[in-house]
Parts: sequence; C-alpha cells; structure tokens
Amino acid sequence: SYDLTQPPSVSVSPGQTASISCSGDKLGNKLLSWYQQKPGQSPVLIIYEDKKRPSGIPERFSGSNSGNTATLTISGTQAIDEADYYCQAWDSSVVFGGGTKLTVL
Amino acid sequence: EVQVVESGGGLVQPGKSLRLSCAASGFTFDNYAMHWVRQSPGKGLEWVAGVSWNGASTDFAASVKGRFTISRDNTKNSLYLQMNSLRGEDTALYYCAKDRGQQQLVFDSWGQGTLVIVSS
Repeated sequence: SYDLTQPPSVSVSPGQTASISCSGDKLGNKLLSWYQQKPGQSPVLIIYEDKKRPSGIPERFSGSNSGNTATLTISGTQAIDEADYYCQAWDSSVVFGGGTKLTVL
Repeated sequence: EVQVVESGGGLVQPGKSLRLSCAASGFTFDNYAMHWVRQSPGKGLEWVAGVSWNGASTDFAASVKGRFTISRDNTKNSLYLQMNSLRGEDTALYYCAKDRGQQQLVFDSWGQGTLVIVSS
C-alpha cells in the first residue's frame, strides 16, 4: 500500500511562514490535496491539484509538489491557522497522510 | 449553499450491521461522485468508500472491502453506507464528502459526521 508521511507537529510564530511536508514515493507524479481541520470541526479543502486554491481560501495558503515531497506553505501565519493539516493523494486507493498539528505560538 | 448531512450512527455490537445516510442539498447531486471518510477518535482521516455519479462504480478501502457497501439514490439526493460485520476498529466519526467532480478524488464539501461506536 502507498504511504504518505507527514511530521506529527510543526510550530510557527505569528506572522512567520509555516511549511508542512508530505512525502511519498514519486509523489510528484500524483495530484495532491491538502485539508485543514480545526478542533471539533470537519475538514476543509484548502489546496487541490498540488497548488490550486478553492474559492474562499486565503492566498497565504500555497502548495507545491515535486520529486518525493509536497509542501503546504502558509505565509504570514495567523492564530486562526492553528489546526491539523492532512495531505491526500491517490495511488491504487485514496490515501491520507497521518496529519500534522500546526501550533502558532 | 452546498450541504451534506449524515445520520444513522449509534452504538452497535460487534458483528452487527448499521446503515448510514447522507442527505445532500445545494448542488446537482447526480453530477458528482460521493464518498465516505472516517476518523477514529483522536486519529487521522481514512477514506472508506466512494461511488460514481450514477452509482455504477464503487470502490472501497481494503479495511472494509467485503463488509461495507456504498450506494446512492439520485432521486432522493442521498448517499448510503451499509456496514455489516462491524468490528471495534470501525468505531469512528463517519463523514460524507462530496467529490469535486465525477471522480477527481478531491473532497470539497464535508458533513459534520455521524458517530459509530462498535462495542458490546
């Protein structure tokens, strides 16, 4: 089975740039999505097809995907961005990464 | 406004069955594939099953294949998940999720989830 690996946690200071990685074999050959999940809430799609943002998602969220690693970048991180973030792709089945808890402190 | 609302969760004994439902509104239901995604308490997301826009094609995670079935009724704008031979590891919050297209495998709208607890 295909695995997507994310760091369990990332910390960032307000106003700084946060980077969350997602790694998998030849991940750059696959289309990747990112979801944000705040405590007690349902996931929200924030990036699809590696770098596209759905309407309503702030421009400070961006994505890239190349080689074996995809990266979600949050520029000018705000306290409201504190959440769990999940990457997702498709191999022979839909796969989610284990999630990364972003702490803004 | 796109909305999906799950129902049917509850406490069920191991080995028993349960049927989840998802009522959709605010979009042309039969234009989109639909999925179920679950989240065990304190854990990450796990895709469970998906169905094509017309119900002709279905797919399942290995962990539920042969025990769960997914179906839809486009006349009722509804999605279903029939869960048989339930196990403790099936305990989770089950989300209904709308595909971004007919089978893009990108989930652009999620419900609030319905909780399934498998325990004796």
